Amino acid sequence: EDKVVQSPLSLVVHEGDTVTLNCSYEVTNFRSLLWYKQEKKAPTFLFMLTSSGIEKKSGRLSSILDKKELFSILNITATQTGDSAVYLCAVGGRGTASKLTFGTGTRL
Amino acid sequence: DTGVSQDPRHKITKRGQNVTFRCDPISEHNRLYWYRQTLGQGPEFLTYFQNEAQLEKSRLLSDRFSAERPKGSFSTLEIQRTEQGDSAMYLCASRVEGNSPLHFGNGTRLTVT
Repeated sequence: EDKVVQSPLSLVVHEGDTVTLNCSYEVTNFRSLLWYKQEKKAPTFLFMLTSSGIEKKSGRLSSILDKKELFSILNITATQTGDSAVYLCAVGGRGTASKLTFGTGTRL
Repeated sequence: DTGVSQDPRHKITKRGQNVTFRCDPISEHNRLYWYRQTLGQGPEFLTYFQNEAQLEKSRLLSDRFSAERPKGSFSTLEIQRTEQGDSAMYLCASRVEGNSPLHFGNGTRLTVT
């Protein structure tokens, strides 16, 4: 069964700090790893990673995947109050549904 | 892109009643998913449609749960004889073909009293 473990479970930082969120996974026939941000409602898509070592970047957020060690990190620099949310990591396999298996999230 | 739309936003029901939720995916998305999320947990997969065909169901989906997507557009999720353990946020998501991200709706929050 596919599994995603995120750490830390929660994190309190001051505005302006840089944070690193961790995601490790086990999945049969890996296809992709995705990061989502969830405030009070729907998870909103941040990044999709399929290849090792290639950093995806959007503004102050960036993410990278290591397929050999089976983990990913999400970095947020110069944090702002609007970054407060739960950050979800999910992995997709190559099955019929290509469904995503989510971790429990990191509350920032 | 009007986004994934779910209705109702909130539903409070008494134990034993039936409830039905609706999801309208993004119009060009042929793949539709239902997830359930409880407090402090990530979303859990329930079921998947490709066009009108329901191709996968989680073992979390007991026989009290049924989902349809009759014309390959909107979908409904029905829960019969609700139990308190069914209280959760029910999320619908859709995507296009290929290796593409899921786009989620705002969910239906179900409370069973």
